[in-house]
Amino acid sequence: EPEVTQTPSHQVTQMGQEVILRCVPISNHLYFYWYRQILGQKVEFLVSFYNNEISEKSEIFDDQFSVERPDGSNFTLKIRSTKLEDSAMYFCARETGTGVPYEQYFGPGTRLTVT
Amino acid sequence: GIQVEQSPPDLILQEGANSTLRCNFSDSVNNLQWFHQNPWGQLINLFYIPSGTKQNGRLSATTVATERYSLLYISSSQTTDSGVYFCAAGAGQNFVFGPGTRLSVLP
Repeated sequence: EPEVTQTPSHQVTQMGQEVILRCVPISNHLYFYWYRQILGQKVEFLVSFYNNEISEKSEIFDDQFSVERPDGSNFTLKIRSTKLEDSAMYFCARETGTGVPYEQYFGPGTRLTVT
Repeated sequence: GIQVEQSPPDLILQEGANSTLRCNFSDSVNNLQWFHQNPWGQLINLFYIPSGTKQNGRLSATTVATERYSLLYISSSQTTDSGVYFCAAGAGQNFVFGPGTRLSVLP
């Protein structure tokens, strides 16, 4: 049973366009994360989000990126003006919520291709 | 920040063989997880193991936090074990991932 679902599974966009990636947690968790993985490389942390606020972000998470949870359920990552180097797999993760601190479960990912 | 290294980078095994994957981290951590990335790109949780030893079927893991390393053991490997194994460690909420060990299990 998936802990987190992500939509779309694959998105192709043209350079300069805005994209919104969505993460839908199955149950009501408070901590969410976005990571990305450029093809063939390691997974990199982007941002963590707690109680509707950014709690931590990496150097990668610049002004082109934003996150929000607009309806209290879906958790979104927006890239305002995509660049070729934004092509990657984007993973949403959430904390397990079972009292084990910091154990994270990852969604299946959205593969973003910028052309 | 924390640096995470993994060895070996690549490993080829015959089905049925055992293997040990290693993860070294540069600073004290309070989180450590092992993941398996399958051929479809999904990250599957294997172990949450900031310290101690855990076992799940043919897989087991040990973390010695004071010496800053973790080991993942795979016994009686199967072709379905193929993929990339990532160690991720952190001192706060987010993880720093290692570069992974690519495992290929041949029939």
